[in-house]
Amino acid sequence: NAGVTQTPKFRVLKTGQSMTLLCAQDMNHEYMYWYRQDPGMGLRLIHYSVGEGTTAKGEVPDGYNVSRLKKQNFLLGLESAAPSQTSVYFCASMGRGPTGELFFGEGSRLTVL
Amino acid sequence: GENVEQHPSTLSVQEGDSAVIKCTYSDSASNYFPWYKQELGKGPQLIIDIRSNVGEKKDQRIAVTLNKTAKHFSLHITETQPEDSAVYFCAASKGSNYQLIWGAGTKLIIKP
Repeated sequence: NAGVTQTPKFRVLKTGQSMTLLCAQDMNHEYMYWYRQDPGMGLRLIHYSVGEGTTAKGEVPDGYNVSRLKKQNFLLGLESAAPSQTSVYFCASMGRGPTGELFFGEGSRLTVL
Repeated sequence: GENVEQHPSTLSVQEGDSAVIKCTYSDSASNYFPWYKQELGKGPQLIIDIRSNVGEKKDQRIAVTLNKTAKHFSLHITETQPEDSAVYFCAASKGSNYQLIWGAGTKLIIKP
């Protein structure tokens, strides 16, 4: 059982480039989340989804877009990367809400030059 | 909005001793308080959580206490072992996981 898988694990971008991070979960979870983790700041929610076809903004959504076309996948896009988006990105999923255990992927380290 | 402060940022204890990490929150409506452990190169993993209708919860060597009046909650780890070395995060929510506000993390170092 793979759980939550994120790809790619590492990526270096130049300012202005675009990219997509893919999150896949095999636990049939309804809820999925994208977080960013920066030193000394804990985790901050970017976007989340409460089910297939739905998305909503979190605490820090600017500069990011998401899509949840399939229940098992949650994509995070950066249309025009900026150095401020250099961070480690974590995807998480949860089976039933509204609160409960979050299952995290291993993270994707993004550097924007 | 909600704010969660976590202390200390780094904690070094001798193997076998106890470790305590404290968090305070600002929104009195918060009612769900999880603790996550993050090992190097991994994503966070839930180790224990508590809801506002409970004052204390234990799971083997780990316990969490909640003081709603003072708006703080603490993680207690007894008989620490080398595998307890990690970064620990507290969080607080007033109803949904998407409302979770996270502390900045505590790096726990277990000295042999």
